[in-house]
Amino acid sequence: EDKVVQSPLSLVVHEGDTVTLNCSYEVTNFRSLLWYKQEKKAPTFLFMLTSSGIEKKSGRLSSILDKKELFSILNITATQTGDSAIYLCAANANYGGATNKLIFGTGTLLAVQP
Amino acid sequence: NAGVTQTPKFRVLKTGQSMTLLCAQDMNHEYMYWYRQDPGMGLRLIHYSVGEGTTAKGEVPDGYNVSRLKKQNFLLGLESAAPSQTSVYFCASRGTGTGNYNEQFFGPGTRLTVL
Repeated sequence: EDKVVQSPLSLVVHEGDTVTLNCSYEVTNFRSLLWYKQEKKAPTFLFMLTSSGIEKKSGRLSSILDKKELFSILNITATQTGDSAIYLCAANANYGGATNKLIFGTGTLLAVQP
Repeated sequence: NAGVTQTPKFRVLKTGQSMTLLCAQDMNHEYMYWYRQDPGMGLRLIHYSVGEGTTAKGEVPDGYNVSRLKKQNFLLGLESAAPSQTSVYFCASRGTGTGNYNEQFFGPGTRLTVL
């Protein structure tokens, strides 16, 4: 059974701290790994990773994928209160033809305190 | 360009009642998805569609039906609501092509409570 596991489940840090969120996956026909940020409402896209060892970076956020060890990390440096959210990891799997599905982890709840 | 919209935003039902959730997207996306999100469970796929007129079951399809009569709309129906269907429902869509083509765009969600 395909599964995605995120850790930690929740995390409380202070502004300025650096955090690392983990995502491991066991997915057949793996194609890519995606990170989303979910605040009050809809998840919003952060990164899509398809190749091992290539870091993707956007401001204070960065992410990398290890396809050999089947995991990804999301780093946030110099955290701000606006980074408080649930961070979702999802593995994209191909089920034949054009059928791609995202298998989501349960998310990591990050709370950044002033 | 509104992206993905969902109606209604909130709804309270009694056990046994029926309702339909509407998802609409204006990005000409081929693929559309319905998820439910429960505490500690993450997002779970209910049904999905790879194009107009086609639907398929996801991870947790029981108790739900869907229809994709028009490319821009994806309807999720509950024929006889149960308390176990209390959840937040998200619709998503994605296009095809190059770039971040696996990115799914999410609607704002519908919070459903079944008493």
